[in-house]
Amino acid sequence: SQQGEEDPQALSIQEGENATMNCSYKTSINNLQWYRQNSGRGLVHLILIRSNEREKHSGRLRVTLDTSKKSSSLLITASRAADTASYFCATAPTDNWGKLQFGAGTQVVVTP
Amino acid sequence: EADIYQTPRYLVIGTGKKITLECSQTMGHDKMYWYQQDPGMELHLIHYSYGVNSTEKGDLSSESTVSRIRTEHFPLTLESARPSHTSQYLCASSESIQGNTEAFFGQGTRLTVV
Repeated sequence: SQQGEEDPQALSIQEGENATMNCSYKTSINNLQWYRQNSGRGLVHLILIRSNEREKHSGRLRVTLDTSKKSSSLLITASRAADTASYFCATAPTDNWGKLQFGAGTQVVVTP
Repeated sequence: EADIYQTPRYLVIGTGKKITLECSQTMGHDKMYWYQQDPGMELHLIHYSYGVNSTEKGDLSSESTVSRIRTEHFPLTLESARPSHTSQYLCASSESIQGNTEAFFGQGTRLTVV
């Protein structure tokens, strides 16, 4: 089974609203990463949060990590139509850090 | 712009044919990965590599094989394609710093076996 799972599976919001999605994982990790995918193309890295960090910001993105609950959240503030994409979290277990695994993703649709 | 390239972008091929999907990166990354993804679905790790002469199987059982003879090249081969192999295949690479680096993805190869 995959390391991470996203929730919700899909999210539809209007421009200007915030979008929040969550990720849960199963094993101890060094870091958790979030990626974005447009229309089935290659994934693009958004942000990486290390296991000793609790929150990280990058532009309109805010990521939190709770290692005790094995969960993370991604918040996109003031969403735009261009944010329409699928968002994936990815982790690699500490005992096999080369094995980067992705969750099922959250499909986000932002309508003008 | 990521310097990782996959060819071909699209491939339609008949059942039983042998195919090789190419993946090359010019960033000198040690780690490389192959993922399989059906439209709108999750990514499944099928192969990964820590470096030259290192290959490992991922979580999803796959009839494909990989090789890593050169750092920059990580081809995936299907000896006998079947319709069940129809999917998108994504290649990625990352630096080898205890996993604390981002992965760069190619644009994918969309394979259709008829």
